[in-house]
Amino acid sequence: GAGVSQTPSNKVTEKGKYVELRCDPISGHTALYWYRQSLGQGPEFLIYFQGTGAADDSGLPNDRFFAVRPEGSVSTLKIQRTERGDSAVYLCASSVESGLLNTEAFFGQGTRLTVV
Amino acid sequence: GENVEQHPSTLSVQEGDSAVIKCTYSDSASNYFPWYKQELGKGPQLIIDIRSNVGEKKDQRIAVTLNKTAKHFSLHITETQPEDSAVYFCAARPALGGTSYGKLTFGQGTILTVHP
Repeated sequence: GAGVSQTPSNKVTEKGKYVELRCDPISGHTALYWYRQSLGQGPEFLIYFQGTGAADDSGLPNDRFFAVRPEGSVSTLKIQRTERGDSAVYLCASSVESGLLNTEAFFGQGTRLTVV
Repeated sequence: GENVEQHPSTLSVQEGDSAVIKCTYSDSASNYFPWYKQELGKGPQLIIDIRSNVGEKKDQRIAVTLNKTAKHFSLHITETQPEDSAVYFCAARPALGGTSYGKLTFGQGTILTVHP
């Protein structure tokens, strides 16, 4: 597809379980971002990849959260020992980094995570 | 870090009226200011953006103004239509080369309702 694809669209898990959320960015986009959006709030930054490396992971709330992008394309956000407070919509975005200009970030539709 | 404040939180207008949403930011290093529209169950979609080297940008019924000195920027929608009803988010991003580059900081959102 032409846009950012996130799977699954919905995920319900039990407290304490491990989850993985997947993001397929737009082909050719070198930058990839993860955000978390709680109900009624704006998206909050989690982590930013430039290529395979995490350029800024300052938004990850604690060490239960981890993200990878091993081949510089698909990324997986991993959450260990999930807690009810982790329930939110997890958004992925990608952009082309020209090296000189801030370029548009295109968002996926998000994964709604519910921890019960 | 950057802090973005957005007002109002809700805005109700009649079809054909204008709507204005205002945001302030705190980090003078920010130089890219996008506006996103988010419809229910979807990811944010960029509707217009402005860079710090310009004061105003227009795209049909949508315009954005930026006052760097005062650190505020505004979204103006003219001739509003019911399909403009959505949640609107402003955001700010630092310049390329900064340590926080790549990190969009979002406002809290404005729920815009356009009544037919």
